[in-house]
Amino acid sequence: RKEVEQDPGPFNVPEGATVAFNCTYSNSASQSFFWYRQDCRKEPKLLMSVYSSGNEDGRFTAQLNRASQYISLLIRDSKLSDSATYLCVVNTGFQKLVFGTGTRLLVSP
Amino acid sequence: DAMVIQNPRYQVTQFGKPVTLSCSQTLNHNVMYWYQQKSSQAPKLLFHYYDKDFNNEADTPDNFQSRRPNTSFCFLDIRSPGLGDAAMYLCATSFGGKDSEAFFGQGTRLTVV
Repeated sequence: RKEVEQDPGPFNVPEGATVAFNCTYSNSASQSFFWYRQDCRKEPKLLMSVYSSGNEDGRFTAQLNRASQYISLLIRDSKLSDSATYLCVVNTGFQKLVFGTGTRLLVSP
Repeated sequence: DAMVIQNPRYQVTQFGKPVTLSCSQTLNHNVMYWYQQKSSQAPKLLFHYYDKDFNNEADTPDNFQSRRPNTSFCFLDIRSPGLGDAAMYLCATSFGGKDSEAFFGQGTRLTVV
């Protein structure tokens, strides 16, 4: 079993739609969690950290469920510019940052 | 200003010819990472340093080595590149605290001919 897993998609949604991604992790001792965004042929960039209480940044909401060992990302009112690959990243301990397989999002007009 | 700088951006090397990729940072971060990313795949952690402590992933081939001579610089050495080593190599840094995010360089795209 992979340490961090995501549905690879692609998710094809129209502009304005709400879309949700999930990510599961296998190490229950994992310490911190992040969502990164990666555009084609570019480096990953931090979208948001994921806190235990859940957190929101504009149209983006992240949730953490430690009991079930998954994190989620909700994007509301999708824009064309949201088209990218969304990567779940988990600090599994000792500063080891492991990426999930990534979920590709395509937002169409 | 770029905070994590990778050189070169593009590298072409011959099959079997040693190659070194470099990464420097101006953030004074404790942790530096090397990831390999192949087309349509997620970045795969090769190894990371916490200060001078080296942490190698169990499935990283011996062909890949790394050096961190000081806080600011980290190198990835590929001793005998094969065609399967063609990929984007990403360097990242983090402060090292529990909730520390990683900052990435723009990557070096390696082609093996």
